[in-house]
Amino acid sequence: QKEVEQDPGPLSVPEGAIVSLNCTYSNSAFQYFMWYRQYSRKGPELLMYTYSSGNKEDGRFTAQVDKSSKYISLFIRDSQPSDSATYLCAMKIEYGNKLVFGAGTILRVKS
Amino acid sequence: DAGVTQSPTHLIKTRGQQVTLRCSPKSGHDTVSWYQQALGQGPQFIFQYYEEEERQRGNFPDRFSGHQFPNYSSELNVNALLLGDSALYLCASSLETSGKSRDTQYFGPGTRLTVL
Repeated sequence: QKEVEQDPGPLSVPEGAIVSLNCTYSNSAFQYFMWYRQYSRKGPELLMYTYSSGNKEDGRFTAQVDKSSKYISLFIRDSQPSDSATYLCAMKIEYGNKLVFGAGTILRVKS
Repeated sequence: DAGVTQSPTHLIKTRGQQVTLRCSPKSGHDTVSWYQQALGQGPQFIFQYYEEEERQRGNFPDRFSGHQFPNYSSELNVNALLLGDSALYLCASSLETSGKSRDTQYFGPGTRLTVL
């Protein structure tokens, strides 16, 4: 079993829809949770960074962490065609050096 | 503000050859991590360098080695290339805080390595 599970999709939605992306994990020691966006053949770009449980909002993006369920989510409001990309969740333990990634979810927003 | 840069962008090698990839961290960052991303997969941690030493290593064979220079830039070397080494190699930089690796990592554009 992988430490971090993420549905690879693809997830296809119409422009303007609310998108929900999710990851589950097995290591209860994870304390830092990140979402990266990766366009085709490019490096990952940091979107959201959350420590421990709770919600964090930044513009159209909201990240949620539920440590009791070992479940994290990224919500995208008013999705745009430019949001079409692969979304990677990543996690790190306290004082850890490496990020552990999910496999990524491919998102397609249709205009 | 200069972000993470990597060179070369693309590289084609044959089995058995050796390759060196280069990374310059984001301005102000002192820690460099390397990841391998196979097609359709998430990045896998290779190793991290801080103060010119390898601090932690993932599940990669000794054919993968690295180096960090006094200006914080880094190299990844892969010897005896295998077909399975074909991937996007990503460099990420971060800033050590109070001796603990708390800050998150910012990625470069990657080097796409193809092994024939």
